Amino acid sequence: GENVEQHPSTLSVQEGDSAVIKCTYSDSASNYFPWYKQELGKRPQLIIDIRSNVGEKKDQRIAVTLNKTAKHFSLHITETQPEDSAVYFCAVVLGGYQKVTFGTGTKLQVIP
Amino acid sequence: GAVVSQHPSRVICKSGTSVKIECRSLDFQATTMFWYRQFPKKSLMLMATSNEGSKATYEQGVEKDKFLINHASLTLSTLTVTSAHPEDSSFYICSARDTGKNSPLHFGNGTRLTVT
Repeated sequence: GENVEQHPSTLSVQEGDSAVIKCTYSDSASNYFPWYKQELGKRPQLIIDIRSNVGEKKDQRIAVTLNKTAKHFSLHITETQPEDSAVYFCAVVLGGYQKVTFGTGTKLQVIP
Repeated sequence: GAVVSQHPSRVICKSGTSVKIECRSLDFQATTMFWYRQFPKKSLMLMATSNEGSKATYEQGVEKDKFLINHASLTLSTLTVTSAHPEDSSFYICSARDTGKNSPLHFGNGTRLTVT
């Protein structure tokens, strides 16, 4: 089955700095890669996603890059703000959502 | 946007009793819904995939007789934790996606189950 690794598990940055979270996966047939933000006790919220036919996608301060050859993708948050503090999960989707595998999560803390 | 409603948000029950959790897609139809369990500070662990009109597909290690799943309509799936024990205490989250093409996965708000 799919194996998804996410690093780092915790990340502390100063407000205004950038944060990068990386995920690697094992199944080269995976074709959709969403990122979720989860605040304590709340539901995961989709923040950005990328499909296998695209190398990079950006939405304001958030961007995701995908390297299909190396089987890794990364979340980039620029100009971090305290409200960015949360747990971030990457996910790897195979086929038409036949299988969704989540990464282990990264707790991001933005220090004011 | 698409909304998934999950109830209850919190439930406390005694050991040996059963608890039912509902997951509804409010403005779209979902032939497939997913049930996850999340331990504190841990990732989402897929328990089962709920298929409308057919039996759920359970992940390895998940007891199907303990975690009963029913997906009777295109907008409702239920998870029943039977004969609950304290070790079943956890955060349970459902998710669903519109059966339309390229639709993302939407999550319910989760249910915090505490078994005393």
